[in-house]
Amino acid sequence: DAGVIQSPRHEVTEMGQEVTLRCKPISGHDYLFWYRQTMMRGLELLIYFNNNVPIDDSGMPEDRFSAKMPNASFSTLKIQPSEPRDSAVYFCASSFMSGGSYEQYFGPGTRLTVT
Amino acid sequence: GDSVTQMEGPVTLSEEAFLTINCTYTATGYPSLFWYVQYPGEGLQLLLKATKADDKGSNKGFEATYRKETTSFHLEKGSVQVSDSAVYFCALSEQGGSYIPTFGRGTSLIVHP
Repeated sequence: DAGVIQSPRHEVTEMGQEVTLRCKPISGHDYLFWYRQTMMRGLELLIYFNNNVPIDDSGMPEDRFSAKMPNASFSTLKIQPSEPRDSAVYFCASSFMSGGSYEQYFGPGTRLTVT
Repeated sequence: GDSVTQMEGPVTLSEEAFLTINCTYTATGYPSLFWYVQYPGEGLQLLLKATKADDKGSNKGFEATYRKETTSFHLEKGSVQVSDSAVYFCALSEQGGSYIPTFGRGTSLIVHP
């Protein structure tokens, strides 16, 4: 399997623009997570899905952030409008039950810079 | 709620030195415990795990033992290499619960030749 695929790998945009991050999870995994990583706040869970249904979005910073999972093989995280404080690395991860526990498989991340 | 506490880094070692990164946890139930590693410019990847008390997870020369009595899961390696330089995250997820993992803040390891 190719692993979790994220695109783009790098995104530079201006404040106020819409940003869409994309994720293809590993086939057969039933959970999908979106994380944000910064030096100041570390790794933060933004939202997760189970079988394509959003379960908990309490980590989404504000209404400017939205996420969708229209099918088992695709998810998007959208920021509209973007702000400089959204600059971070965004990770998508997928997960399945293995040996009595859920292991997470992370994508390579999207490095977002908002100027 | 659940929490994971890791020693603050960076940890700086010379090649072939012994490594210990401490991790303690607080959980309401009976968690599975994990160590993930993040190399520069990459996502996190599972290094090892343990699902019950006294289990030892091991991989690539790293090992950690699930200690329920001390609520700890310390990561060790007998002889580190420059290529082990990375950030290491301790994590837990409740078994039979939501399974959603709780991560520590991460510990940066720098190994010098």
